[in-house]
Amino acid sequence: NAGVTQTPKFQVLKTGQSMTLQCAQDMNHNSMYWYRQDPGMGLRLIYYSASEGTTDKGEVPNGYNVSRLNKREFSLRLESAAPSQTSVYFCASSELDEQFFGPGTRLTVL
Amino acid sequence: GENVEQHPSTLSVQEGDSAVIKCTYSDSASNYFPWYKQELGKRPQLIIDIRSNVGEKKDQRIAVTLNKTAKHFSLHITETQPEDSAVYFCAASMGGYSTLTFGKGTMLLVSP
Repeated sequence: NAGVTQTPKFQVLKTGQSMTLQCAQDMNHNSMYWYRQDPGMGLRLIYYSASEGTTDKGEVPNGYNVSRLNKREFSLRLESAAPSQTSVYFCASSELDEQFFGPGTRLTVL
Repeated sequence: GENVEQHPSTLSVQEGDSAVIKCTYSDSASNYFPWYKQELGKRPQLIIDIRSNVGEKKDQRIAVTLNKTAKHFSLHITETQPEDSAVYFCAASMGGYSTLTFGKGTMLLVSP
């Protein structure tokens, strides 16, 4: 089992560019999440999907959109990247309580 | 919504000492409290969790205690080792399919 996978591992964007971060899990979990991690700020929830076909905003959703493509895949899109979106992005999945995290994507917006 | 405060933000100990990290939460409806460990450059991983119907839980050198009345919970690491050096995050949720709210993290440094 690969668990939770994310692509890409690293990305550099220019202000205004768009991109999609991909996440997939092979644990048959219903719930999936996108977090951003900034120094001294912990893990902040951007969006989550409690089950296939549903998505909800988290603590910091502005500037992002998500798509729950199917039960396995949950993507995060930045339509017009800003320097404030420079961060490490983690995807996670869960069935009830324990969340399993992907390896992260380090995004830099210049 | 839920608010989780975590202290201290950094903690330095000598190998073999004990380390204690404390968290407080605001929502009395929260009933699930996990702790995650994140090594440098790696993903967060669950190390121990506790539910509100339990006051203490141990797993080898780590333990978690919960005081529901005071709305705080703590992580205790005994006989610390250099490989315990990492960032530790506490979190709280209402359990089940509820989302987690994380504290800001504690960087633990264990010196040989």
